[in-house]
Amino acid sequence: DAGVTQSPTHLIKTRGQHVTLRCSPISGHKSVSWYQQVLGQGPQFIFQYYEKEERGRGNFPDRFSARQFPNYSSELNVNALLLGDSALYLCASSFLTGMGEKLFFGSGTQLSVL
Amino acid sequence: AQKITQTQPGMFVQEKEAVTLDCTYDTSDPSYGLFWYKQPSSGEMIFLIYQGSYDQQNATEGRYSLNFQKARKSANLVISASQLGDSAMYFCAMREGNAGGTSYGKLTFGQGTILTVHP
Repeated sequence: DAGVTQSPTHLIKTRGQHVTLRCSPISGHKSVSWYQQVLGQGPQFIFQYYEKEERGRGNFPDRFSARQFPNYSSELNVNALLLGDSALYLCASSFLTGMGEKLFFGSGTQLSVL
Repeated sequence: AQKITQTQPGMFVQEKEAVTLDCTYDTSDPSYGLFWYKQPSSGEMIFLIYQGSYDQQNATEGRYSLNFQKARKSANLVISASQLGDSAMYFCAMREGNAGGTSYGKLTFGQGTILTVHP
C-alpha cells in the first residue's frame, strides 16, 4: 500500500501570494492532520480533519485554512504569504488500532517564501 | 511550560552499542499517548514506537523500546545495536486525551535530539 503522499515536494513563492498544498492519506485512513516544521524545531500542529470535518486547530492565523474531500484527501491553503511561513509542511494520516493510535507522515512540502 | 522536553540536543554512539534518548512530558490528562519519530535528512517523519498511558507493559518494536516511567513522566527511547542508518533527528511527541477523541491526530512535539552513530 502507498504511504501518505504530498504534493508538490518543493515550492517557491513570493510574499503576498497564496499557496495550496495537497495530501492523500493512506488508503482506509479517514483522519488527516497538518503540521508546520520550521528549520531546527519540532513540527507544530495546524489542523486535523476527520470524516471531512475540522476536529482541531492549532495556534495559527486565519490565513491558514484547510479542507478534506469525500475521498479523504486534503488541501492546506495559506493566503498572504509571509517570509515566516517558509517551512516544511507535513501531512499525517492516522487510524486507531487495538493498541491505540498510529499516525503516519508524508515526506512533506518544502515551502520557501521570498 | 513545555509539554514535551528533550534535553539532549545531540547524542553520539558507537555502532552496535545501545543508546537512550531522553523525553519528559507534562500533562494533567490521565489519558494520553506517547510517540517517537525518526527524521532523517530527507525530511520524512518515520513512526518508531507508541506507548499509551494505560499500557502496563513498555512498548517494543524491533530494536526500539520505550522506557515508560509514568510517575516520573518520562518516556525514553532505547535503541539497541545502533546502526549507521540510525543517524538522524529523533522526536518525542504526545497526544493528550483519548485516542479517537477530539485530540485525534493532534501531537505536541519536543525539540528533537540529533543522533550520530560512529563506525
